[in-house]
Amino acid sequence: DTEVTQTPKHLVMGMTNKKSLKCEQHMGHRAMYWYKQKAKKPPELMFVYSYEKLSINESVPSRFSPECPNSSLLNLHLHALQPEDSALYLCASSQGAIPQETQYFGPGTRLLVL
Amino acid sequence: GEDVEQSLFLSVREGDSSVINCTYTDSSSTYLYWYKQEPGAGLQLLTYIFSNMDMKQDQRLTVLLNKKDKHLSLRIADTQTGDSAIYFCALSTGYSSASKIIFGSGTRLSIRP
Repeated sequence: DTEVTQTPKHLVMGMTNKKSLKCEQHMGHRAMYWYKQKAKKPPELMFVYSYEKLSINESVPSRFSPECPNSSLLNLHLHALQPEDSALYLCASSQGAIPQETQYFGPGTRLLVL
Repeated sequence: GEDVEQSLFLSVREGDSSVINCTYTDSSSTYLYWYKQEPGAGLQLLTYIFSNMDMKQDQRLTVLLNKKDKHLSLRIADTQTGDSAIYFCALSTGYSSASKIIFGSGTRLSIRP
């Protein structure tokens, strides 16, 4: 199984809503990632979890709050988002917590903030 | 900081070979990747090459790495309509506790009949 799954596929939310994005992998990977991708742009790294601990936060606004409940799950909690946060949010995982590990991506959640 | 550059568009005739090019500035990268993204989808890892290799072939895909010139290319033989997508060159960088990948801007490959 080399699959990373993400739910929901699409999400529409208002600026006062609270919602969560979910990511799951069963490959035994110990590092998981959140990326944000705007249209016609490459993915931009947001957060990295390594062995269920947050290891990288790329200066992401606090309205995005990641959570790693266990080694297979990664959540991204959203609160008070802005319309410019509308994007494709991609989750990825890699086997180990060492540099240069190959990352495998999920299909993404397409988020629209109204 | 690290920089990865690609041309934005490439158009090829069906059945021809496609060559997508990428240049980068970080010479410390260990792995270099090619990802494919179809419309509305996530990123699919196509292939990767270790920095001490010059070439890697995998069925219709050939990756060439010129470390001296910091140039990476992806050749797709016998290009098909299903190859239409955006292709991202990426490299791993940094020595933190987990992998960090820097992506190029992506090359949109379109196929002419």
